[in-house]
Amino acid sequence: NAGVTQTPKFQVLKTGQSMTLQCAQDMNHEYMSWYRQDPGMGLRLIHYSVGAGITDQGEVPNGYNVSRSTTEDFPLRLLSAAPSQTSVYFCASRTGQGFDEQYFGPGTRLTVT
Amino acid sequence: GENVEQHPSTLSVQEGDSAVIKCTYSDSASNYFPWYKQELGKGPQLIIDIRSNVGEKKDQRIAVTLNKTAKHFSLHITETQPEDSAVYFCAPRRGYQKVTFGTGTKLQVIP
Repeated sequence: NAGVTQTPKFQVLKTGQSMTLQCAQDMNHEYMSWYRQDPGMGLRLIHYSVGAGITDQGEVPNGYNVSRSTTEDFPLRLLSAAPSQTSVYFCASRTGQGFDEQYFGPGTRLTVT
Repeated sequence: GENVEQHPSTLSVQEGDSAVIKCTYSDSASNYFPWYKQELGKGPQLIIDIRSNVGEKKDQRIAVTLNKTAKHFSLHITETQPEDSAVYFCAPRRGYQKVTFGTGTKLQVIP
């Protein structure tokens, strides 16, 4: 079991560029989420999905898109990168049933110049 | 949505002392109360959790206590060790619903 994997680990973008952060899990979890973590701050929810084909917005969705075509994968797309999107991004998954533990990936550190 | 506050934001203790972190939440329907530990450069990891029908749970040196009336729960770490140094997050929620994390507490254990 690899758990939750994220690629890339590090990325530098120029303002206006687009990119996709990849997230995959091999635990057959229905519920997947994307968070961003800024220095000295907690984790803020960007988007989440309760199953394949279903996505919803979290606290800070602007500037990001997601889709969920399979149970395993939940990519996060930055449409036009801005310096305010410089952050560490974490993907997480859980079964989605009641009192379940959330498993996190190792994170992607993104810098937008 | 859930409003979650953690106190203190930073905590320094001597090795061997105890540490207590408090989490206050707003949704009276919350029924699951986990604590996560985040080590430097890693994603958070669950260390202990409690459900609303239980007032206290202990796992070796860590414990969680819940006060549903006052809407807060606390993480207790006894006999602290340098490897306990990390950022700790609470994440109360209602069962299957989306997770709102507290702002985090940076714990430093001084050898």
